[in-house]
Amino acid sequence: DAKTTQPTSMDCAEGRAANLPCNHSTISGNEYVYWYRQIHSQGPQYIIHGLKNNETNEMASLIITEDRKSSTLILPHATLRDTAVYYCIVRVQGGSEKLVFGKGTKLTVNP
Amino acid sequence: GAGVSQSPRYKVAKRGQDVALRCDPISGHVSLFWYQQALGQGPEFLTYFQNEAQLDKSGLPSDRFFAERPEGSVSTLKIQRTQQEDSAVYLCASSWGRGAPMDEQFFGPGTRLTVL
Repeated sequence: DAKTTQPTSMDCAEGRAANLPCNHSTISGNEYVYWYRQIHSQGPQYIIHGLKNNETNEMASLIITEDRKSSTLILPHATLRDTAVYYCIVRVQGGSEKLVFGKGTKLTVNP
Repeated sequence: GAGVSQSPRYKVAKRGQDVALRCDPISGHVSLFWYQQALGQGPEFLTYFQNEAQLDKSGLPSDRFFAERPEGSVSTLKIQRTQQEDSAVYLCASSWGRGAPMDEQFFGPGTRLTVL
């Protein structure tokens, strides 16, 4: 699985959009981008995934650049409950089932 | 509906003791995973089951670690002769087993193991 690079930490004001970047410059054509988050003392939680088109669900939006070398997870109206570590993971379709986590980005949403 | 459950939530062991950690996956989920998470780090893969078959155990750090899922549902992670470096949160996850990209993994709350 390709490596990803994320900032160690970010801050965001409550009610504002949180934009979390991820670099995956060695991603190959059949690898998907996944985002999970881990709230303190809980297990990771799936957020969203995409291949090359932008995706949106009830939790977030995922913007993938045209060259697919980077992506941004957007939480449109961050709340205090969104404070968590966010993990960007690339995973090949039909490949190993396991998830390879990096250190993620610690997002702190401030009141 | 019920999610993935793990027991115990906390376990303190003396160095050299054996421990057994239990995972109850979501009913009907074919795939089951164990991850180890050290303090301040992301989870690291240990092993993976599809039904009762252990298809990947490449992440098990030593032969002191053993996992089983004899009937394809509940799984147990056993650590023999625990060492201080085994102190971590052990996370279990399950999924339908349809293969990426459809397969979202659902995680349990983890078992925090402290070895004294």
